[in-house]
Amino acid sequence: GDSVTQMEGPVTLSEEAFLTINCTYTATGYPSLFWYVQYPGEGLQLLLKATKADDKGSNKGFEATYRKETTSFHLEKGSVQVSDSAVYFCAFTGNTPLVFGKGTRLSVIA
Amino acid sequence: DAMVIQNPRYQVTQFGKPVTLSCSQTLNHNVMYWYQQKSSQAPKLLFHYYDKDFNNEADTPDNFQSRRPNTSFCFLDIRSPGLGDAAMYLCATSSDAKAGETQYFGPGTRLLVL
Repeated sequence: GDSVTQMEGPVTLSEEAFLTINCTYTATGYPSLFWYVQYPGEGLQLLLKATKADDKGSNKGFEATYRKETTSFHLEKGSVQVSDSAVYFCAFTGNTPLVFGKGTRLSVIA
Repeated sequence: DAMVIQNPRYQVTQFGKPVTLSCSQTLNHNVMYWYQQKSSQAPKLLFHYYDKDFNNEADTPDNFQSRRPNTSFCFLDIRSPGLGDAAMYLCATSSDAKAGETQYFGPGTRLLVL
């Protein structure tokens, strides 16, 4: 069935380190792909999205490219900050409502 | 600012005692969703409304019901909460239900069942 697999956390990085959070999906058709972020005590916020193959979503220094051939949508940031500490969720919609991964907790230390 | 509001942020109820969680939106979106999120798990869609049309997920227990009296408000009713229903409940909205449509989430209500 439809599902999202993202890397297990928690991930702990030093400030200014490079971040990659892997995400792969299993879906029929051509889904739209999303990254949502949940800061402590807050709801989920859309971080970025891509709606077709080879599209790159970007926001706040984060990027992810829709790779149809590898069914992946890995999240990257070149230099993380303490304020990026949060839980990151990969998700998609297609023939189904939004399907989420389990989330990856990121902690950035100064 | 346009937003999705959930009240209360924390709700404590007793085993078997009905409880209602509320969600309101100022975005004037057509679609409203309820998700259940248990600790360290992905949010799980319970149901959604497209305008007044109710769409229940196949595996949502009958214990969970929802009402949408108008565009702005949507309620989640748990008729007889069990210990396994303790979770974060997230409300979300979108302007449409098409693929690619962004969902906007509220801060969630954390439910504790004693």
